[in-house]
Amino acid sequence: ETGVTQSPTHLIKTRGQQVTLRCSSQSGHNTVSWYQQALGQGPQFIFQYYREEENGRGNFPPRFSGLQFPNYSSELNVNALELDDSALYLCASRSDSILGNGGYTFGSGTRLTVV
Amino acid sequence: SQQGEEDPQALSIQEGENATMNCSYKTSINNLQWYRQNSGRGLVHLILIRSNEREKHSGRLRVTLDTSKKSSSLLITASRAADTASYFCATDAWGGKLIFGQGTELSVKP
Repeated sequence: ETGVTQSPTHLIKTRGQQVTLRCSSQSGHNTVSWYQQALGQGPQFIFQYYREEENGRGNFPPRFSGLQFPNYSSELNVNALELDDSALYLCASRSDSILGNGGYTFGSGTRLTVV
Repeated sequence: SQQGEEDPQALSIQEGENATMNCSYKTSINNLQWYRQNSGRGLVHLILIRSNEREKHSGRLRVTLDTSKKSSSLLITASRAADTASYFCATDAWGGKLIFGQGTELSVKP
């Protein structure tokens, strides 16, 4: 399986609700990262997982949490949604192989709108 | 917070011209990467340059890195309308955590 697939592509939630975004990475990509991209801005790092363990976190509150599974899928969970959480959420994965180009493969993103 | 600045914020050129985008950053890095994004969708990895490299080429792309000035540039030669997109530089200072700039919006007119 190639590429990174994210679901859903679009989502509308109400303030205070909880949301789960999903990502399916390429086989063999043990590193997965999640980013938040507000309109007109560059992506901001939320957190990173390596072999199912969180190994890096950006400046996001604890209500942003994640999981990585052995089948190269992962989730981003956001509790108590706020209006400012409206953004494009991007999942990215990378291989450990030194033969790779070192870059991340990004999914097409989930557009979350909080109303 | 953003790592650095990209310059210019927007660039409009004619097909066939060259496009140059600049990126500055603040901290020491392991590598610097450039990505392209079409219409607010996923990012596509273009090229990675390591901190011990000064220049790298990939097809019509040329990237330079000056670690003493903490800056990088991306040159796209002989641009095409299909190159129209937003371009981001991203620094990797530790363990794959990428810190992105604000991006340069490139418009290539046919």
